[in-house]
Amino acid sequence: EPEVTQTPSHQVTQMGQEVILRCVPISNHLYFYWYRQILGQKVEFLVSFYNNEISEKSEIFDDQFSVERPDGSNFTLKIRSTKLEDSAMYFCASADRGPLHFGNGTRLTVT
Amino acid sequence: AQSVTQLGSHVSVSEGALVLLRCNYSSSVPPYLFWYVQYPNQGLQLLLKYTSAATLVKGINGFEAEFKKSETSFHLTKPSAHMSDAAEYFCAVSDRGNTPLVFGKGTRLSVIA
Repeated sequence: EPEVTQTPSHQVTQMGQEVILRCVPISNHLYFYWYRQILGQKVEFLVSFYNNEISEKSEIFDDQFSVERPDGSNFTLKIRSTKLEDSAMYFCASADRGPLHFGNGTRLTVT
Repeated sequence: AQSVTQLGSHVSVSEGALVLLRCNYSSSVPPYLFWYVQYPNQGLQLLLKYTSAATLVKGINGFEAEFKKSETSFHLTKPSAHMSDAAEYFCAVSDRGNTPLVFGKGTRLSVIA
């Protein structure tokens, strides 16, 4: 069964550094999403992406965040200048017109 | 705006016992409701979904959930727990299909031999 792939599985970075989290969605999907889960808290919506543009974003998704689909297969989340509170598990998801399919997540640790 | 409340952050059952994980939602429009499961070090896997068809929804691994509009609930059940059911379970709601899903805080299910 096709699956959403995220790399790396764990990323450690220093505060103030830029990080790029990578995702390869399922190939025929058109809708892409990023969610995050701070340890012990809810899974929170960050952003959705369709037709090469952001379709919706939450208040969490401020100017420090950006998303890109640089080619036909990758979908990336960039955090420009990481803060301690950005430490979380970040999930990528994709969908056609059905339910979301999630990747295994990238655990981001900001020190 | 939608919201989801999952009662009980941790539920423990004996192997073979009934599993009941509670979810109540709030939505100003008819909701779409989902249950996802997360096994350790894995992503979120869809267990089942309600999209305004039958109120009793059957999912994978023997789980089912019943949509009760009068109670604004979508509780997840399984008649007989198995050790492999130990995981984190998330209820989620959407008012426009899949985006954006609003998740509950999750319930960790432990199964005791």
